[in-house]
Amino acid sequence: EVLLVESGGDLVQSGRSLRLSCAASGFTFGDYAMHWVRQAPGKGLEWVSGISWNSGTIIYADSVKGRFTISRDDAENSLHLQMNSLRAEDTALYYCARRMKNSLGFDVWGQGTMVTVSS
Amino acid sequence: ESVLTQSPGTLSLSPGETATLSCRARQSVDNNYLAWYQQKPGQAPRLLIYAASSRATGIPDRFSGSASGTDFTLTISRLEPEDFAVYYCQQFGGSPPWTFGQGTKVEI
Repeated sequence: EVLLVESGGDLVQSGRSLRLSCAASGFTFGDYAMHWVRQAPGKGLEWVSGISWNSGTIIYADSVKGRFTISRDDAENSLHLQMNSLRAEDTALYYCARRMKNSLGFDVWGQGTMVTVSS
Repeated sequence: ESVLTQSPGTLSLSPGETATLSCRARQSVDNNYLAWYQQKPGQAPRLLIYAASSRATGIPDRFSGSASGTDFTLTISRLEPEDFAVYYCQQFGGSPPWTFGQGTKVEI
């Protein structure tokens, strides 16, 4: 079974840091680009960051650029998001998602991990 | 101004009816690289349509997508009770990249 499981979400104070992880299983992780998408409580989806299969291309939303860092560990089949200088507006459920291999769409999603930033 | 504008915000329909959801891009979408997702309460999004009109694996044929210039449409024929959810479009490429629309809720 293809599975993504996020972890690392927590309640933190504004200005602090947090590291999210996403454990992948059931597929060849190193063959796929991976992304983070977040959803604030009661709001829509916001794309956050993405990393190509070989880490050669990394992109960020303007809202997190310079504060968040995406990385991957293919040996551990894991995706990470280092979040620094957290703000109240970063409060959201964070999903990791797999990008389709031969087209553009996120075909596998985790269940999300909640990040709450108190001001 | 949003990069992707979805309309209507809410669509009230009955089972068996047809839902027509719109997603308008502010500028052309490279190679029609636009996707549609369904999200139910408490669940992660699910990919329905990619490349504007291709159905993802396991998606029933009552879901269809189309494109005309910068206008994209998701059509859900013969609504089933499990189809009542929020639907998002997403573009790939452009600036800013990988953005989502604000969503359309299909309710009974």
